[in-house]
Amino acid sequence: GAVVSQHPSWVICKSGTSVKIECRSLDFQATTMFWYRQFPKQSLMLMATSNEGSKATYEQGVEKDKFLINHASLTLSTLTVTSAHPEDSSFYICSAMGLGGASPLHFGNGTRLTVT
Amino acid sequence: GQQVMQIPQYQHVQEGEDFTTYCNSSTTLSNIQWYKQRPGGHPVFLIQLVKSGEVKKQKRLTFQFGEAKKNSSLHITATQTTDVGTYFCADPPTGNQFYFGTGTSLTVIP
Repeated sequence: GAVVSQHPSWVICKSGTSVKIECRSLDFQATTMFWYRQFPKQSLMLMATSNEGSKATYEQGVEKDKFLINHASLTLSTLTVTSAHPEDSSFYICSAMGLGGASPLHFGNGTRLTVT
Repeated sequence: GQQVMQIPQYQHVQEGEDFTTYCNSSTTLSNIQWYKQRPGGHPVFLIQLVKSGEVKKQKRLTFQFGEAKKNSSLHITATQTTDVGTYFCADPPTGNQFYFGTGTSLTVIP
């Protein structure tokens, strides 16, 4: 089956630093990847859609300069949280859609970010 | 962004009882997907419904797509502790977004 690997699983960083989260599709090529943020006991909130070789599409209210997304290849997308603050602490999950836009989504295991 | 509403938000049931979650959209959906997220885990795809009025079963789980394709339901018969988690419906992308419903968190009391 399709596997999406997300690293790191958890990270603790100091306020003001930047954190990079990687999302890789291991056995398929992902033209589109989605990045979600999930607060405790809440739903998955779409942050941005990442398409290989083009700029990401951000949802309203998500700061593109703060959450940098790069989808440089068909198997890798990265999310960098720049100048992190405690309010950025959350569970970040990536998901991938294969070639041709085939559903369903395959999710990474998520990254628990804690900013102190 | 648009969001599909789910009710209830939380549900506690005694093991062996049935459980149903409902998903409602203000717009007509081309199809709908259901996912399950265990506590501390990531969402896992359960099923996709495409046709109006479609009903699909997976063991104790029954999924239904409304005639107008604006609502869907997931029914679990005789819940077990392994059913614990949050169930999300999702509106597969039209364009470049993939939105999830608000989710229903299921707790099963042994």
